[in-house]
Order: sequence, then C-alpha cells, then structure tokens
Amino acid sequence: SQTIHQWPATLVQPVGSPLSLECTVEGTSNPNLYWYRQAAGRGLQLLFYSVGIGQISSEVPQNLSASRPQDRQFILSSKKLLLSDSGFYLCAFPLRSTDTQYFGPGTRLTVL
Amino acid sequence: RKEVEQDPGPFNVPEGATVAFNCTYSNSASQSFFWYRQDCRKEPKLLMSVYSSGNEDGRFTAQLNRASQYISLLIRDSKLSDSATYLCVVTSGGYQKVTFGIGTKLQVIP
Repeated sequence: SQTIHQWPATLVQPVGSPLSLECTVEGTSNPNLYWYRQAAGRGLQLLFYSVGIGQISSEVPQNLSASRPQDRQFILSSKKLLLSDSGFYLCAFPLRSTDTQYFGPGTRLTVL
Repeated sequence: RKEVEQDPGPFNVPEGATVAFNCTYSNSASQSFFWYRQDCRKEPKLLMSVYSSGNEDGRFTAQLNRASQYISLLIRDSKLSDSATYLCVVTSGGYQKVTFGIGTKLQVIP
C-alpha cells in the first residue's frame, strides 16, 4: 500500500535558523509529490510540486526551496526562517484512480 | 473572489441533528470535486467524492450543482465523532491544480 512518512512531526525553530523537512513515500514509483502549508486560520497553500527527480515547480515565491534528490524523497528547506513560515507542512501525492491528494501526517513548525 | 469559498463556521449542532455545508467555486472549468475531513492537528483525509448525480455514504450525502457552481455536504444524525473541519476541494487540469477551501468547522454537542 502507498504510505507517506514525514519528519519531524513537530519543530520549534528560532527566526533566522535553517530548516529541513523530509518526506518519503512507499508503495509507489515516480510519483508526483507536493508540499503544502496550512497556516493558522488559512486554507492549504500549494508551495512546490515535483514530477520527478530534480524537477521542482514553485507555486509561491518565498524564502523556501524544495529538492527531490531521489524518486521517493522530497525535501523542503530554508536558509533563514521567518515568523511567517510557521504552519503545518504537508507532503502529498495523487490518490490512485482520482485526481486529488493523499497527505502525509505533516510537520507542525513554530518559528519564534 | 476566492477560487473556493466556504463558511468557516463554527457550526455548533446537537447530537442527532442534520447539518449541511455549502461550498462555491469560481472556475467553471473545474472537473472534480471532493470533501475532506480534517481533525484537530491532523492531516486532511478524503471523505468522499462529489458527483453531479449525488453521492451517498452512510449518513453523508454530497451533491454537485454545476450550473450554480456549488457543492454541498449533508450529514444526518450527527455524532460527536463527526466534530472536525470539513474541507471543500476542487480540481481543474489534473494534479497540478487542486484548490482547497478554508474549511468549515463542525462541533457536535452532547
């Protein structure tokens, strides 16, 4: 079966510190992968998507970046976090037989 | 105008009540429609797809009205465990264009 792992589950970081969030998937090969952010009181915002290794599309300009070093690995990074980067970060891939998303458990990031 | 609009609520209803949520979308070319459920501090999970002919799953019924560009979710005989946020999701152009509503919070009260 298809599963998504994300870590860490929660993270508290100071402003200006770097960030690295990891997402790995199992049970599928060459999936499209997505990073979303859900800020408090706001809807899900698509940040990046990737159709394959080394292929990243950015939906929103910001101080975040993404990389896909392996087929089943998707990484979200930042060199310097801002307060506004706080939120719930979700990795996703397409559900079989549908054109919607299956989400991983998420990483809750608090920037202080 | 937002692409997908939902009343954020909260909707506070007693156990056993029937509650309905609506969601409107702006893109007439939208192709697929879904309702997700999100529990507090958890990831969203697919609840059901929405079809023009309607879709029923137990106590849950979803409807699509393409002419008026809205979708609805009806929950009958509400349970305490139905308390969650319900997200409306609209897709157009496949995986690259999936738009989520802000969600409607439901609180079922004993």
